[in-house]
Amino acid sequence: SQKIEQNSEALNIQEGKTATLTCNYTNYSPAYLQWYRQDPGRGPVFLLLIRENEKEKRKERLKVTFDTTLKQSLFHITASQPADSATYLCALRKNTGFQKLVFGTGTRLLVSP
Amino acid sequence: DTEVTQTPKHLVMGMTNKKSLKCEQHMGHRAMYWYKQKAKKPPELMFVYSYEKLSINESVPSRFSPECPNSSLLNLHLHALQPEDSALYLCASSQDTGRLNTEAFFGQGTRLTVV
Repeated sequence: SQKIEQNSEALNIQEGKTATLTCNYTNYSPAYLQWYRQDPGRGPVFLLLIRENEKEKRKERLKVTFDTTLKQSLFHITASQPADSATYLCALRKNTGFQKLVFGTGTRLLVSP
Repeated sequence: DTEVTQTPKHLVMGMTNKKSLKCEQHMGHRAMYWYKQKAKKPPELMFVYSYEKLSINESVPSRFSPECPNSSLLNLHLHALQPEDSALYLCASSQDTGRLNTEAFFGQGTRLTVV
């Protein structure tokens, strides 16, 4: 069956450290993978998109990698701040029905001062 | 304007009520979506509209009835809901559904409680 799995446990880190979140997918062959941030009680907000032929994508303190061999994407936040505390979701479009944007299980990140 | 606006923000309804959720975007997007999200779970796709036509229904019970009156508006009509339907209902839009690299823009959601 098709799955998109992220660390189910909350990730607790100290301010200033780098947070690394993992997204693993099974039985998909995505050409693109997206990352979103969601704050409690609010809708997800798009952060970054990476193509299958891009090894790495950066935006300010954010970095995403995409390894289609391992079927994994890593999402890094460098110099983390308490304001980065949120749930982070990876997402991809099903290539057999590309209208469907499907989300991973999400990882809650807590950055303490 | 890069906003997707949902109303109301909160809704409490009885199991015999009929209510509607509304969603509006003015970005010229031709794909609009309804998602349902339960606590500590990811958003689950319910419906997709592409160019104002329903293109995907993820086997959603008929007590949820979507409608797309025009390219900027999306409604979700609710009737005879169950307490387990209580959730955050999210509307989203994207440029279209024909390209794999299009991101989705989400509204703030409607927190629905069925009593």
